[in-house]
Amino acid sequence: EPEVTQTPSHQVTQMGQEVILRCVPISNHLYFYWYRQILGQKVEFLVSFYNNEISEKSEIFDDQFSVERPDGSNFTLKIRSTKLEDSAMYFCASSATGRRETQYFGPGTRLLVL
Amino acid sequence: RKEVEQDPGPFNVPEGATVAFNCTYSNSASQSFFWYRQDCRKEPKLLMSVYSSGNEDGRFTAQLNRASQYISLLIRDSKLSDSATYLCVVNNQAGTALIFGKGTTLSVSS
Repeated sequence: EPEVTQTPSHQVTQMGQEVILRCVPISNHLYFYWYRQILGQKVEFLVSFYNNEISEKSEIFDDQFSVERPDGSNFTLKIRSTKLEDSAMYFCASSATGRRETQYFGPGTRLLVL
Repeated sequence: RKEVEQDPGPFNVPEGATVAFNCTYSNSASQSFFWYRQDCRKEPKLLMSVYSSGNEDGRFTAQLNRASQYISLLIRDSKLSDSATYLCVVNNQAGTALIFGKGTTLSVSS
């Protein structure tokens, strides 16, 4: 069964450093998403991406965040200057045809900012 | 009012029990509804979509009441492997994002 994959599984970084989280969505999917989950809290939407552009972003997704699809398979989330409060699990998701369709989640990257 | 509200539980039930989870959502324009399951420190996994007429998948039954903006999940004959957090999820109005509840924790014991 096709799966969304994410690397790395864990990342530890110093405050102020840049991190790039990587995702490989399911191969025939067209819509890509990033979510985060702070420990003990609910899953929160960050951004959706389609046709090489951001479709929607939440208020969490400020200028420190950016997304990119650098090639035909990878989808990345960059945090330019990490803060302590960026520590969370970051999930990538993809869906086949987009709006209102089922989203399939990757295993997540656990980011710890020290 | 929170966008998606769930009773956090925990629900502690013996094997074989029937358990019901409820959820309310605030945006009447939401069009798609789901139950996801999340095991500890893992990703959310789709359990089932929820359709207006109600739907069943084995031991799991989901119901939707659009007028009351209420979603439910019924689990019959609980198994130890059902122990997890159950997430009520709705689409935003544009259909471009999922909005999650905090989840209801279920613990099934032998």
